[in-house]
Amino acid sequence: DGGITQSPKYLFRKEGQNVTLSCEQNLNHDAMYWYRQDPGQGLRLIYYSQIVNDFQKGDIAEGYSVSREKKESFPLTVTSAQKNPTAFYLCASSGPVQVYGYTFGSGTRLTVV
Amino acid sequence: QKEVEQDPGPLSVPEGAIVSLNCTYSNSAFQYFMWYRQYSRKGPELLMYTYSSGNKEDGRFTAQVDKSSKYISLFIRDSQPSDSATYLCAMGDSSYKLIFGSGTRLLVRP
Repeated sequence: DGGITQSPKYLFRKEGQNVTLSCEQNLNHDAMYWYRQDPGQGLRLIYYSQIVNDFQKGDIAEGYSVSREKKESFPLTVTSAQKNPTAFYLCASSGPVQVYGYTFGSGTRLTVV
Repeated sequence: QKEVEQDPGPLSVPEGAIVSLNCTYSNSAFQYFMWYRQYSRKGPELLMYTYSSGNKEDGRFTAQVDKSSKYISLFIRDSQPSDSATYLCAMGDSSYKLIFGSGTRLLVRP
């Protein structure tokens, strides 16, 4: 079955650590996205990529980094520079957005301990 | 001012009620409009999609777009406890990016 897989479901990070969230899709979608969701704030765009080896900053990119070496994969690294990383992180992918919208993964909940 | 405004709720209704969820927007370039449903601790799933103005019906759900007023609505008829979720509106122009509302939390009481 085609879909988008995020792992892990839950992640705990110590202060000062970098952590990487995985996102893999087998939908043959060109575009991929990372969002952060906090209670009452909706979805905020971190980074997006329209094509392999190219990506753009979203609205809240500071403290995050991404790579897009393969069409299927778009990992997100939360660096120690991100001061408030505790949140629910959602990865999405899309073909023609005007027709199909985004397909979301099931999310990763990151907690700083 | 945000590009898309959505009342966060929560909206609490009895089972069987008609639910009306709404979003307003400011960018007249938006051409396509979507509603996503998100259950707690899950990713959003696409519920309804409409292009330009007009109505679209799918079972108990009706999506309505009024571009002249920059206002979109989602109606749920005969609401069920399983409809309890957060509903996010989303809209876009010709680019890859969707702009999301902050979501309305709906609770349908048995």
